[in-house]
Amino acid sequence: ETGVTQTPRHLVMGMTNKKSLKCEQHLGHNAMYWYKQSAKKPLELMFVYSLEERVENNSVPSRFSPECPNSSHLFLHLHTLQPEDSALYLCASSQDRAQPQHFGDGTRLSIL
Amino acid sequence: GQNIDQPTEMTATEGAIVQINCTYQTSGFNGLFWYQQHAGEAPTFLSYNVLDGLEEKGRFSSFLSRSKGYSYLLLKELQMKDSASYLCAVGLKTGANNLFFGTGTRLTVIP
Repeated sequence: ETGVTQTPRHLVMGMTNKKSLKCEQHLGHNAMYWYKQSAKKPLELMFVYSLEERVENNSVPSRFSPECPNSSHLFLHLHTLQPEDSALYLCASSQDRAQPQHFGDGTRLSIL
Repeated sequence: GQNIDQPTEMTATEGAIVQINCTYQTSGFNGLFWYQQHAGEAPTFLSYNVLDGLEEKGRFSSFLSRSKGYSYLLLKELQMKDSASYLCAVGLKTGANNLFFGTGTRLTVIP
C-alpha cells in the first residue's frame, strides 16, 4: 500500500546531528500520527495532529519536535538524540481519530 | 491506566486454525482493533469491533466481549504468509493516546 509514504527508510546519525523524518499521506485523511516501535515493546504514540491541531504525549522528550504544515504532510525533527532513541519510527493517518489508522513502512533510526 | 495482555508467541501448522487472545483493562473504551505486522513492514489494519460478537472477514474473524474485556482473532486455513505479529489495540475516547497497543503476538506457521 502506498497511501502513507515515509522517507528515509533508514537513517544512521550521531548524537549531535540534526535530521528530519518525513511522512506524506495520499488518503485524504484528517489525522496524522508519529509512533515509536522498539524491540519487544508496544507501539508508543508520540504525537497526534488532528485537523492540524497538535495533541502530544507528555512523556516524549523535547529532542523530538513534530511539524504538520498541512493535512497531508508530517515531519519529525530530531536533534541531540540518545542511543536509546534507536527504533522504528512509524507514521500513520486516519480519517478521524476514531477510525482505523493506516501506517507507513517506517524509518529505521540508528543513533551512534 | 490502560493494560493489554496477549501471548508473546504462538506456533501453528499450515492449514490449521489458530486463535489469538487479547484481554484488556481500560477506561473510555472506544473499540478494539487488530493489526497484522510482517517483519520489517508497516502494521496493516485487519479488523475493528465496537459491539459484542463476531466479525468475519474471509479467513479472519474477530470477537469481542466488552463485559469480559476480552477479544480474540481467529485465523482459519492458515497459510505460510500468515506468519507475522498480530497487534491488539484498544481505542480510547479521550486523551492524547487514542489508540493503545499491546506488545503483539508473533505467530509462526510451520509446514
